[in-house]
Amino acid sequence: GAVVSQHPSRVICKSGTSVKIECRSLDFQATTMFWYRQFPKKSLMLMATSNEGSKATYEQGVEKDKFLINHASLTLSTLTVTSAHPEDSSFYICSARKGMSTGAPGANVLTFGAGSRLTVL
Amino acid sequence: AQKITQTQPGMFVQEKEAVTLDCTYDTSDPSYGLFWYKQPSSGEMIFLIYQGSYDQQNATEGRYSLNFQKARKSANLVISASQLGDSAMYFCAMSPFRGSARQLTFGSGTQLTVLP
Repeated sequence: GAVVSQHPSRVICKSGTSVKIECRSLDFQATTMFWYRQFPKKSLMLMATSNEGSKATYEQGVEKDKFLINHASLTLSTLTVTSAHPEDSSFYICSARKGMSTGAPGANVLTFGAGSRLTVL
Repeated sequence: AQKITQTQPGMFVQEKEAVTLDCTYDTSDPSYGLFWYKQPSSGEMIFLIYQGSYDQQNATEGRYSLNFQKARKSANLVISASQLGDSAMYFCAMSPFRGSARQLTFGSGTQLTVLP
């Protein structure tokens, strides 16, 4: 199977500090990973597409200087929330696809990490 | 642009009964994939079922089936013989065939509660 590990699962930090969240594909290589944000009882909103070896592609309205994404290897993408504020408190989820992004989307279903709940005090 | 609409914020079903969760979509892409994911209170997203826009038959995976009506742009999830463990948030999502990223666009979700 395809397993995506996300760490930490929960983090509490003080306002103004930076927090790094890791997303690892454990048994496959992923040239592309996705970062989503989810508010309580709400849907997942795509923040950015993380591309191995190149810059991330951010969705409209997402501050790239606030949410730094680094996809340094084929199995690791990191999201760093810089100078965190209470409004950044949220559930952040990463996902990755095993295999090439060709053919039907269902041929390689996205696998999600377990999510990281960030609370900024 | 793609849009997913889930009009049922919450649903209740009696244990062992079947339940249908509604999903409609809008897209200009000629080819696309439709997905259903389950999110328990723990937060992880669990893939349930996939339907390709050109698939002739409705997808089935165990107790899950997808009622795909292309002309109506609907992709409803049917859960048969509901179990208490089915209580969770359910998201409908879609992805285009075009492009290399193939990111998912999610609906707003339906909170399903299975009653004993």
